[in-house]
Amino acid sequence: DIQMTQSPSTLSASVGDRVSITCRASQSISSWLAWYQQKPGKAPKLLIYKASTLEVGVPSRFSGSGSGTEFTLTISSLQPDDFATYYCQQYNRSSRTFGQGTKVEIK
Amino acid sequence: QVQLQESGPGLVKPSQTLSLTCTVTGGSIRSGDNYWTWIRQPPGKGPEWIGFIYHTGTTYYNPSLKSRVSISVDTSRNHFSLRLSSVTAADTAVYYCARGRHSYYFDYWGLGSLVTVSS
Repeated sequence: DIQMTQSPSTLSASVGDRVSITCRASQSISSWLAWYQQKPGKAPKLLIYKASTLEVGVPSRFSGSGSGTEFTLTISSLQPDDFATYYCQQYNRSSRTFGQGTKVEIK
Repeated sequence: QVQLQESGPGLVKPSQTLSLTCTVTGGSIRSGDNYWTWIRQPPGKGPEWIGFIYHTGTTYYNPSLKSRVSISVDTSRNHFSLRLSSVTAADTAVYYCARGRHSYYFDYWGLGSLVTVSS
């Protein structure tokens, strides 16, 4: 099984900050990575797929990069609606695994 | 707009079988290259992929759950179902159904259904 490790687990930031979240895969997954945003009591929402492709309707302040084993989700200017937990998910081969999550909280 | 809705018991006794159904509206379960998926999320933890099914009945399961999981599809009713046998407290979670685009990532999700395993 491919393991996904996110860092940090918690990130404290202010509105307007540029923030980055890292996701590492235990083996190469090429660009087969998606990012999700989840708010309390809600289902995850797809933000990015294929490491860097923005899902339709997602604001352009979100961006993704990376390939192989290391990936980054960046929010260029944090907005009040962005305080949430973020998960990466790999889709290489026949299994699917998620990271343990990064909570972005208000500083 | 595709919508998914989970239904089923919220409480299951240990050693029994958990059963949930996901009804799809706003689109046919047979359309597109979509894989109909079950994902669960224990309280305070990240999501865990359980498995998915194509409208033809082809299934793929998480190896860690494979011996206890069965996913089926009813295209005439536009719904798919999950059965998880021999449950324990560790199976307590919010269970989501979702649409897997090309089986890769999940673009539409249900609201989630909390299932508690307890006597």
